[in-house]
Amino acid sequence: AQSVTQLDSHVSVSEGTPVLLRCNYSSSYSPSLFWYVQHPNKGLQLLLKYTSAATLVKGINGFEAEFKKSETSFHLTKPSAHMSDAAEYFCVVEMGSQGNLIFGKGTKLSVKP
Amino acid sequence: EAGVAQSPRYKIIEKRQSVAFWCNPISGHATLYWYQQILGQGPKLLIQFQNNGVVDDSQLPKDRFSAERLKGVDSTLKIQPAKLEDSAVYLCASSWARGNTIYFGEGSWLTVV
Repeated sequence: AQSVTQLDSHVSVSEGTPVLLRCNYSSSYSPSLFWYVQHPNKGLQLLLKYTSAATLVKGINGFEAEFKKSETSFHLTKPSAHMSDAAEYFCVVEMGSQGNLIFGKGTKLSVKP
Repeated sequence: EAGVAQSPRYKIIEKRQSVAFWCNPISGHATLYWYQQILGQGPKLLIQFQNNGVVDDSQLPKDRFSAERLKGVDSTLKIQPAKLEDSAVYLCASSWARGNTIYFGEGSWLTVV
């Protein structure tokens, strides 16, 4: 069965410093993986997705993620945090051919001035 | 392009009362999802429609939850009778087809007191 584990419930960084949000996945086959962001009182927005093409995936707002099969990881990174990046981030795996998404528990990113 | 519309945005009801949420997906999207997001957790799929047919409702508590998408466009999710543990955000999402990018609405916040 597919699942994702987000290793940190809360990450705090200073503005201008790098961001690393960690995610490990479990899947019996090559999965489709996503990162979604949720700002307070807003809907979920797709940041990026991996679908077995390039292992380094570039998303919106300067975020990117690298699929590492040997480590079963799909960590999200950004070189320089901005105050507007403060939000909840979800690592997501797609289940089967139905397109259903299985979400991790989320990582809250705080950005200090 | 208009996004996924949901209403009401906020609802407070007493336990054992009923409530209904409405969703209008992005125009042309055949697949519609309802997710439940409890505070501090990632969203969990309740039900998936393909046009007006149910694809997956395995995690829908059918003794109290019901959903329909009669004409293959709008959808309603009903809870009757509500329990305290139903307090959550109910997210509607849609996609062009199964396996395509899923777009989320801003959610309907339910508090059961």
